[in-house]
Amino acid sequence: DTGVSQNPRHKITKRGQNVTFRCDPISEHNRLYWYRQTLGQGPEFLTYFQNEAQLEKSRLLSDRFSAERPKGSFSTLEIQRTEQGDSAMYLCASAFTSNTEAFFGQGTRLTVV
Amino acid sequence: AQKVTQAQTEISVVEKEDVTLDCVYETRDTTYYLFWYKQPPSGELVFLIRRNSFDEQNEISGRYSWNFQKSTSSFNFTITASQVVDSAVYFCALSDKGGGSTLGRLYFGRGTQLTVWP
Repeated sequence: DTGVSQNPRHKITKRGQNVTFRCDPISEHNRLYWYRQTLGQGPEFLTYFQNEAQLEKSRLLSDRFSAERPKGSFSTLEIQRTEQGDSAMYLCASAFTSNTEAFFGQGTRLTVV
Repeated sequence: AQKVTQAQTEISVVEKEDVTLDCVYETRDTTYYLFWYKQPPSGELVFLIRRNSFDEQNEISGRYSWNFQKSTSSFNFTITASQVVDSAVYFCALSDKGGGSTLGRLYFGRGTQLTVWP
């Protein structure tokens, strides 16, 4: 499978716990994006990377959220001290720098109880 | 600011009917890109089409067609002879350039849930 891969697919956590999600983009894609989607809404931008550089962060990305892409390949999104409002689908996408088509993964569904 | 409006929350049609999904966008950029994505129940967003702001030609791909009109800031999507497998949530999205000619962030509408009944 050469598409965007996200793990885990589902995560249930207790409020206050930390969680980390992983995204493996399509090989050779320079850009990697994180989005959050809540029920009945369209995806909302969180942040994106070009190689290992984080180029933009949304105001949605509070201090409890941190994203990394240390070697310009896979990326991790960590949420500290989770809150019930963090329950959502977290989507990752990747794209070539010179190509404007973004490919999405199947997402990680987070449930905070 | 960039904004995408999909006024139709849900649409139900019977198989073989034609259906049009509306999308209206707002942007101050002169160069931008418009997209449609399909999200089946599995959750993955499937890319359908990309148009840039300089290309107003309508496009047809099989049963799918898109009507881009800058004068009304609309980018509507029509499915001809709908099928049950077309049932999904459809999102319209807008992107700015994000520096140079590369893809910036995507701004999505709230989506339209299309249900096609047999």
